[in-house]
Amino acid sequence: DGGITQSPKYLFRKEGQNVTLSCEQNLNHDAMYWYRQDPGQGLRLIYYSQIVNDFQKGDIAEGYSVSREKKESFPLTVTSAQKNPTAFYLCASSIPGLGHNEQFFGPGTRLTVL
Amino acid sequence: GNSVTQMEGPVTLSEEAFLTINCTYTATGYPSLFWYVQYPGEGLQLLLKATKADDKGSNKGFEATYRKETTSFHLEKGSVQVSDSAVYFCALSGKNTDKLIFGTGTRLQVFP
Repeated sequence: DGGITQSPKYLFRKEGQNVTLSCEQNLNHDAMYWYRQDPGQGLRLIYYSQIVNDFQKGDIAEGYSVSREKKESFPLTVTSAQKNPTAFYLCASSIPGLGHNEQFFGPGTRLTVL
Repeated sequence: GNSVTQMEGPVTLSEEAFLTINCTYTATGYPSLFWYVQYPGEGLQLLLKATKADDKGSNKGFEATYRKETTSFHLEKGSVQVSDSAVYFCALSGKNTDKLIFGTGTRLQVFP
């Protein structure tokens, strides 16, 4: 089955530690995205990538970093510079289509920083 | 800039009631409009979409019509079920971009 996997589902880290969230897709999509979801705030875009070896900052990129070395993978690192990292993180992918195409979402990773 | 406003929840209904969740948008040009649904503990999945004015998106008994004159994309269903309980997000993508802008989400609770 084609889809997007995110691991782990739950992640706990101590304050001051960097942590990397995994996102893998086998849909052969060129574009991938990372969102942060907080209660009552909807989804906010952290980073996105339209093609391998290229990515752009979204609306809330500070304290995060990404890489896109393979088409299938788009890992997100939450660094110690992120002031409030506890949140639900969602990865998505799509076929680029000038805004007409849907994004497919993974099941999410809930990060808790203690 | 582009933005999406949707009604605050929670929306609480009895089974078989009529559902409306309001969504209005601000955008330049002609955005594409989407409704996504999120079931508890899961990611989002596309419910329906419309890519031009007067288009009606529909799926699983849900409908929404792209109204340019009122900049709205309200979600409706004639008879809700307990299994429809979820959070519903309205979203848009602007002209020539695949980036989505989401509303804050509306939680729907349906009781038997």
